[in-house]
Amino acid sequence: DQQVKQNSPSLSVQEGRISILNCDYTNSMFDYFLWYKKYPAEGPTFLISISSIKDKNEDGRFTVFLNKSAKHLSLHIVPSQPGDSAVYFCAAPGGRPLKGHTGANSKLTFGKGITLSVRP
Amino acid sequence: KAGVTQTPRYLIKTRGQQVTLSCSPISGHRSVSWYQQTPGQGLQFLFEYFSETQRNKGNFPGRFSGRQFSNSRSEMNVSTLELGDSALYLCASSSTGQDVNYGYTFGSGTRLTVV
Repeated sequence: DQQVKQNSPSLSVQEGRISILNCDYTNSMFDYFLWYKKYPAEGPTFLISISSIKDKNEDGRFTVFLNKSAKHLSLHIVPSQPGDSAVYFCAAPGGRPLKGHTGANSKLTFGKGITLSVRP
Repeated sequence: KAGVTQTPRYLIKTRGQQVTLSCSPISGHRSVSWYQQTPGQGLQFLFEYFSETQRNKGNFPGRFSGRQFSNSRSEMNVSTLELGDSALYLCASSSTGQDVNYGYTFGSGTRLTVV
């Protein structure tokens, strides 16, 4: 059961234009969402997050929008730059910890990622 | 401030063997999580350790195990390796594991190839 879905495996945009990366989720209990960026041979790097009580969060060129009724979020990158070319993962924290322990947020559920290519 | 360090970076093992991977978290971080990344399944949670105790666990067979030491360094072990265990294994650290909403810090991973 894939609770976080990124249905488009790849996206190609022209430098300077907007990149829109989409993510859908099925678990309505998720209360936070995160986006990570990953270059080859490196670990994922945290990009931006959004609480489920908000519908938008902006950080420089990156904005994440959340539509709770549709269980959908999107990451907008404006303007796109060649250095943005990477794999982008949508993720949500949450999970049942082992009995007797707290730490429900210590598990991240990731989507399968979207490969973004920004053409010069 | 040093980042998350994973060793080795690359590893080739034969089917049936066992392997141990190491992760040193950011200084002061007490939570260490492990993830497996494969082309078909994406990033999947293996387990999380906090203060030397396994606190959370994903849906992996018992061949996958881990531990954490008093200095918060963690190791994961895979026994009886299968070809399907070939993957990038990522370690992530955070201060408490409850601050995940602000993003974990990941290491560069260990690329395991099983032949």
